[in-house]
Amino acid sequence: AAGVIQSPRHLIKEKRETATLKCYPIPRHDTVYWYQQGPGQDPQFLISFYEKMQSDKGSIPDRFSAQQFSDYHSELNMSSLELGDSALYFCASSLGGGSSYEQYFGPGTRLTVT
Amino acid sequence: AQTVTQSQPEMSVQEAETVTLSCTYDTSESDYYLFWYKQPPSRQMILVIRQEAYKQQNATENRFSVNFQKAAKSFSLKISDSQLGDAAMYFCAYRSASNNNDMRFGAGTRLTVKP
Repeated sequence: AAGVIQSPRHLIKEKRETATLKCYPIPRHDTVYWYQQGPGQDPQFLISFYEKMQSDKGSIPDRFSAQQFSDYHSELNMSSLELGDSALYFCASSLGGGSSYEQYFGPGTRLTVT
Repeated sequence: AQTVTQSQPEMSVQEAETVTLSCTYDTSESDYYLFWYKQPPSRQMILVIRQEAYKQQNATENRFSVNFQKAAKSFSLKISDSQLGDAAMYFCAYRSASNNNDMRFGAGTRLTVKP
């Protein structure tokens, strides 16, 4: 079965640069979530989209923005990167925005900021 | 705000034995969902099991089962007949029934399986 696809899988950027992470949800899934997992930490919710509209916002820095496109894929844009942004970024998708729907996680994008 | 606590940073189990991972949570809500996720060295987040708070029956998935104590706000994971492939980080997670978008994770428990 198709899973959530994230690209790139690994990304190395320098401080103050910009990064764009992409997420392709499972086919027919209309809801996307972004999580950030720092080294040795649990995942933290950043932001989510349902039917191309932002549905909720967590601990996402103002330097980050995201959107969901007409084909339901999502992009997380990160500007003015800081060393502390180095983390594993997960995307998850679900069929429907209700809480009863499972979130399926992608493999993650490992961002290293030097 | 809801919080999830995993008090065991590390656990170890002998292959074929049984191990129980603890999780407690704090919430004022009556309707919610609880999950256990497995994160192997590949760092992929894999759903192990889920429990709806309104269900009294404990969820079971093959060798994985939970002990859900709603009044005590406890949600432990039991792994029976442990296998080497069970070695991973295990995260307990909470999600409100009224807000799908905010999944709260515990700090994780690293499980080692000894051959």
